[in-house]
Order: sequence, then structure tokens, then C-alpha cells
Amino acid sequence: QKEVEQNSGPLSVPEGAIASLNCTYSDRGSQSFFWYRQYSGKSPELIMFIYSNGDKEDGRFTAQLNKASQYVSLLIRDSQPSDSATYLCAVNVGGTASKLTFGTGTRLQVTL
Amino acid sequence: NAGVMQNPRHLVRRRGQEARLRCSPMKGHSHVYWYRQLPEEGLKFMVYLQKENIIDESGMPKERFSAEFPKEGPSILRIQQVVRGDSAAYFCASSPAGQSDYGYTFGSGTRLTVV
Repeated sequence: QKEVEQNSGPLSVPEGAIASLNCTYSDRGSQSFFWYRQYSGKSPELIMFIYSNGDKEDGRFTAQLNKASQYVSLLIRDSQPSDSATYLCAVNVGGTASKLTFGTGTRLQVTL
Repeated sequence: NAGVMQNPRHLVRRRGQEARLRCSPMKGHSHVYWYRQLPEEGLKFMVYLQKENIIDESGMPKERFSAEFPKEGPSILRIQQVVRGDSAAYFCASSPAGQSDYGYTFGSGTRLTVV
């Protein structure tokens, strides 16, 4: 079992719809969870981080964390073509904040 | 305020040569992290350094790879005797002391191609 798992996609959603990206992790000791966006050929860009169970909202983005079920998700409301990218879930496996374990990413395509 | 600076952006090396990748952290950041992204794979942690100190190198291959972050100057990731399997994007990130919990800022990366 991979430490951090994501569906590789592509996930295709129409413009204006809600995109839902999911990530599961194996280590119950993980404490910090991050979502990064990566455009093709570019470096990862931090979108959000979350530590506590529940939802955290920032603009069109909402991160959701459920530690009991060991999953974290990212919702993107009013999806735009510019949101088309690969979204990477990262977890501090083992509680070591300085070392992140990344999933392989989900490719999101927002269609016109 | 400049972000994390990496150079070169692209590096081509022949098999057996040495590759040196440089990373200058954001101003005020004293922690540097190196990650590697192989084609169609996720980012893999390599090493975490503070000035003049390697904190965690658990992700570094046992041979040919080394990293340093001297008191003055950028952090250097050095790959000796490169092989085709070293072809990847190498990303550096930095954070202020004790604030890596809030996530990293990555540099633009160095794309190494071994021919």
C-alpha cells in the first residue's frame, strides 16, 4: 500500500462545476496535509494546508480532512480552464513536518 | 522579495559526468529541502538541510549523491557519474526556521537530462 494515494485521472469537469479531488494516506500519525498545484513543466505551488478535522476554505478552494477515515480532499468551486493542472496531495508521514510524502497527483481537466 | 532560486533551469550531462544543482533559499529562510520528480511520478524527498548541517538525508541514494548547504552561498546537490536514470526534475524548497509546518515554497526546478 502506498503511503499517499491519489487517483491519477484525468478528472474532467465542465467549466463552472465543482471539482472534487481525493487523497488517502496510510500513516495515522500524520498531522499536516497539503495540496499543491503543478502545471505541466512547472514547479509545485502550495494551494492549501490543513491540520484539523473538518473543512478549511480559501476562496474557491476547500480542503476537507477526516483523520478517522484517513482521507483528505480538495474541492474547487466554479472550476475554470486555468485550474487545469495536476494536483498533488502531500502528507507529513510519521509526523515529521519537515519531510513530506507526495502522492502521484490527479490531473484535472476543466472543459469549456 | 525573490523566491527560491534554482540554477541552472536545464542541465544536460553525458553519462559519467558530474551534475551540480544550486539552490538559493528565500531571504530569511534557513531550511532547504531537495526533492526529485521522475517522469510520470510524484515528488520524492531527498534531503533536508540547515546551514552547515544535514538534518535528514533518508531519501538520498546511497551512492553518487551528496548535498551541502554552506554558511555562505547556495545549497548544492551534487550527482557524480550520472546515469540515464538520474534524468529528472530536481526541486528545491525552503522555509523559515521552525515553520515548515506551513508548507514549502518550491523553486522553479532544474531539469537534468543525461544523454
